Amino acid sequence: QVHLVESGGGVVQPGNSLRLSCAASGFTFSDYGMYWVRQAPGKGLEWVALTWYDGSNEHYADSVKGRFTISRDNSKNTLYLQMNSLRAEDTAVYYCARGITYTYGPFDYWGQGTLVTVSS
Amino acid sequence: DIQMTQSPSSLSASVGDRVTITCRASQDISSFLAWYQQKPGKVPNLLIYAASTLQSGVPSRFSGSGSGTDFTLTISSLQPEDVATYYCQKYNSASLTFGGGTKVEIK
Repeated sequence: QVHLVESGGGVVQPGNSLRLSCAASGFTFSDYGMYWVRQAPGKGLEWVALTWYDGSNEHYADSVKGRFTISRDNSKNTLYLQMNSLRAEDTAVYYCARGITYTYGPFDYWGQGTLVTVSS
Repeated sequence: DIQMTQSPSSLSASVGDRVTITCRASQDISSFLAWYQQKPGKVPNLLIYAASTLQSGVPSRFSGSGSGTDFTLTISSLQPEDVATYYCQKYNSASLTFGGGTKVEIK
């Protein structure tokens, strides 16, 4: 059974950094593209970042480009999101999600999410 | 960047009604369109991908259609458990934009 478990969220001051992790199990992690998606309180879904199955390709939403970095460790079945220069508008629940293919694709499994609050 | 516009933003319908939600892309995205359902307080769930392919386990009252720029999600007979917000998403390129969502309630 596919499981995605995010961790690393919390309260952080503007300008500071945070690293999120997503532990994957129940499938061959290195066969799938992986994604981060966020949802601000009471708002809609926003795709944040993607990495191909082998980490060879990464893409970011314009809102986080240059501040966030997605990475993966296929030997540890873990996805990461390094978030630097955090802003109040980055406050959201952050979900990791699995794509249905090894590159771009919709998301067939989601974690439960981890809340990031950026506040002084 | 391609924008995804959903309409309506919310709707209220009776149990058993046929419900249609529209998603429009600002440029041609072929059939690279997915629909998700997010129930209150829950994680999003993939309903349809490739514009019209039903994800495994999704009830057959859900269907999708369209290609190019105009897409629809149809619930053939609305059930109480369908109360949720529905999102479309394009995935034809590295920018996987979501629509703004349509909140569906029971009248």
